[in-house]
Amino acid sequence: GESVGLHLPTLSVQEGDNSIINCAYSNSASDYFIWYKQESGKGPQFIIDIRSNMDKRQGQRVTVLLNKTVKHLSLQIAATQPGDSAVYFCAETFRRSRYNNNDMRFGAGTRLTVKP
Amino acid sequence: ETGVTQSPTHLIKTRGQQVTLRCSSQSGHNTVSWYQQALGQGPQFIFQYYREEENGRGNFPPRFSGLQFPNYSSELNVNALELDDSALYLCASSLGSGREDTEAFFGQGTRLTVV
Repeated sequence: GESVGLHLPTLSVQEGDNSIINCAYSNSASDYFIWYKQESGKGPQFIIDIRSNMDKRQGQRVTVLLNKTVKHLSLQIAATQPGDSAVYFCAETFRRSRYNNNDMRFGAGTRLTVKP
Repeated sequence: ETGVTQSPTHLIKTRGQQVTLRCSSQSGHNTVSWYQQALGQGPQFIFQYYREEENGRGNFPPRFSGLQFPNYSSELNVNALELDDSALYLCASSLGSGREDTEAFFGQGTRLTVV
């Protein structure tokens, strides 16, 4: 079946380095992709999103890249800080024309650990 | 803060019982979705409500049901609890206008333990 998954379950980086978290998706009909950050004991927090008509989108210290050819999504975090330590999820969905479609499919997540 | 609150934060129930979890969405958000997150896994979509009607459902049995109210609050009901229902239950609200949809904002979740 189609699924959303992540390449690496854990990632450890040094404070100040850049982090790259990868995600593979297999549903070619998905047109909206989101990255969430989840800290222990909290709900997922929106980081950045991208629609399928784009291949790159930048936010504050974060960049999401979308490669539709190989169905790959990545999250880049610049100058990683200890506060970035969390589990990161990619999610995909198909936005319907009328309703806001929130039946997102999440991957298992990548745990990012930032070493001081 | 996301403006989405869930109650209770923790709950312990016995197998076979029924449970109701509550969510208060951001004001004006007409769409609410519920997710189940097992330990160490990503959230799984249960169902979505738009303007008080269910308009999408994941692979969950009918004993999972929901309600959405005009005051932007919603409920998730689970009947005949099973041990495997132990998980973090998340609600997410958003504004579905059809023209400029907002991203989904999650609450902090309700940790349900079934014993």
